[in-house]
Amino acid sequence: DTGVSQDPRHKITKRGQNVTFRCDPISEHNRLYWYRQTLGQGPEFLTYFQNEAQLEKSRLLSDRFSAERPKGSFSTLEIQRTEQGDSAMYLCASSLSALNTGELFFGEGSRLTVL
Amino acid sequence: GIQVEQSPPDLILQEGANSTLRCNFSDSVNNLQWFHQNPWGQLINLFYIPSGTKQNGRLSATTVATERYSLLYISSSQTTDSGVYFCAVVEYGNKLVFGAGTILRVKS
Repeated sequence: DTGVSQDPRHKITKRGQNVTFRCDPISEHNRLYWYRQTLGQGPEFLTYFQNEAQLEKSRLLSDRFSAERPKGSFSTLEIQRTEQGDSAMYLCASSLSALNTGELFFGEGSRLTVL
Repeated sequence: GIQVEQSPPDLILQEGANSTLRCNFSDSVNNLQWFHQNPWGQLINLFYIPSGTKQNGRLSATTVATERYSLLYISSSQTTDSGVYFCAVVEYGNKLVFGAGTILRVKS
């Protein structure tokens, strides 16, 4: 059983460029989540998918951010026109059931540095 | 929304010592998880513990949901226990809300 996989692990980009992160959840998990973590803080919720449907989005997810899960398997998180404030660790997680009855499992994260 | 407070914010231990980390939350919760974030940034699941007590090796956790707190015990600490420990709760729906974490440093 492979865990949650994220790619790339590290990304350095210049301000104004677009970046895309990919997440492959645990295979039987139909729920997928994106979180963002800045230095010294706990992870903050960005968005949640159940199968291919994006069911919840945080106010942190500005118009420059878009997430997709087209076939209910892997997901992508795209950031357009990156800003220095976007520098953070982007964490993907998946779960088999709703969080009020089950555990959330995280990937290793994708660390973004915007110069 | 729900508030999650963790204490202490920082903790330095000598190898072999025991410690207790605390997590307080401001409202009723449906789920509580403890995580260890390793130096490479990955969040490792320690316990899924909405109530009661669980043990896993040198670690154990207790959640008293009616009093809105959870405790994580680390016994006979090792240098590999160093890192950040997070408590996270589900208030409703599908959003896990994290505390700010406890930074643990275990010295040899």
